[in-house]
Amino acid sequence: QKEVEQNSGPLSVPEGAIASLNCTYSDRVSQSFFWYRQYSGKSPELIMSIYSNGDKEDGRFTAQLNKASQYVSLLIRDSQPSDSATYLCAVTPGGNKLTFGTGTQLKVEL
Amino acid sequence: DTAVSQTPKYLVTQMGNDKSIKCEQNLGHDTMYWYKQDSKKFLKIMFSYNNKELIINETVPNRFSPKSPDKAHLNLHINSLELGDSAVYFCASSQWSSSEQYFGPGTRLTVT
Repeated sequence: QKEVEQNSGPLSVPEGAIASLNCTYSDRVSQSFFWYRQYSGKSPELIMSIYSNGDKEDGRFTAQLNKASQYVSLLIRDSQPSDSATYLCAVTPGGNKLTFGTGTQLKVEL
Repeated sequence: DTAVSQTPKYLVTQMGNDKSIKCEQNLGHDTMYWYKQDSKKFLKIMFSYNNKELIINETVPNRFSPKSPDKAHLNLHINSLELGDSAVYFCASSQWSSSEQYFGPGTRLTVT
């Protein structure tokens, strides 16, 4: 079983819709959770971090964490073509060793 | 005012050669990392340094040797390059107290 699992996609959503990206993790002691966005040929960019159960909102992005079910999700409201990228989920049990998922490719269609 | 920078951006070399990649950050962070992203886009940590001390050393061939002259710089030297070393290598940095890591632009290494 992979430590951090994501559906590779591509996930296609129409412009203006809500994109929902999901991630599950296997290590129950994971404490910190991150979403990175990576455009093709570019480096990962940190867009959200979440540390406690519940929702965290930042602009059009909402991260949701459920430690009991070991999943974390990212919602992107009013999706734009510029949101088309690969979204990487990363977790750490504490300390600084991040374990990444393989990423979900998001395509926002006009 | 680049936060995390790497040189070179591209590196094409032949099998058996030795090469180095350099990384610098001006964020005032005390922890730096090297990641490898393979052709399937899987991003995996290789090394981490905190204040010039090696903290994380994943299962990486000993042909790879990181060096941190100070907390703002982390270099990666690779000996006897192999075809399988072809990948994008990312440097990242963070504060030790935070797991929020910020990545450099990457170095695309191609071994022929």
